[in-house]
Amino acid sequence: ETGVTQTPRHLVMGMTNKKSLKCEQHLGHNAMYWYKQSAKKPLELMFVYSLEERVENNSVPSRFSPECPNSSHLFLHLHTLQPEDSALYLCASSLEGEGTYNEQFFGPGTRLTVL
Amino acid sequence: GQNIDQPTEMTATEGAIVQINCTYQTSGFNGLFWYQQHAGEAPTFLSYNVLDGLEEKGRFSSFLSRSKGYSYLLLKELQMKDSASYLCAAMDSNYQLIWGAGTKLIIKP
Repeated sequence: ETGVTQTPRHLVMGMTNKKSLKCEQHLGHNAMYWYKQSAKKPLELMFVYSLEERVENNSVPSRFSPECPNSSHLFLHLHTLQPEDSALYLCASSLEGEGTYNEQFFGPGTRLTVL
Repeated sequence: GQNIDQPTEMTATEGAIVQINCTYQTSGFNGLFWYQQHAGEAPTFLSYNVLDGLEEKGRFSSFLSRSKGYSYLLLKELQMKDSASYLCAAMDSNYQLIWGAGTKLIIKP
């Protein structure tokens, strides 16, 4: 298994649909992240989970709902999205703690298109 | 506020050297990262600097000046496969990464 996997890789959904993005890490890390990447913009941190507890949500709209059932899995539940939510959604994980510099490892991303 | 600035796009020739600059302003500082991202792929880690100076890793080197809030990524002996976006990110006092928009590097034969 590669380090960080994401499914699906591509998703097209209507504004009234409900879908979920899945992320899984096989690196023994203790922190996981959701980012939004739009063209020519900086990566936007959406959510951080450290030791399975959410520590940051950066004022993300409530139509995005994260879930972290354990340290290896992270979900992003989507409902009633808007066309401007179309973007690449990246999951990352890292090992936090003494002696680490918290390098983040990224998954390949889910390319989301909202019609 | 917190901010990262890096050029939007650069062009270089195969075999040459290119330097990608990054300036940062953050609340506290816990290091500077460079990532490479090929089109349609995940960002991959290149380097981390927390102390002033130059870190060399093969064809890639990264420099940091904390007093100037400045870093650069130096790529030598450019290859076509180096065509990618290069992301600069500074870690703030809360250990969160503040990202630049990335520099798209185009390598020409």
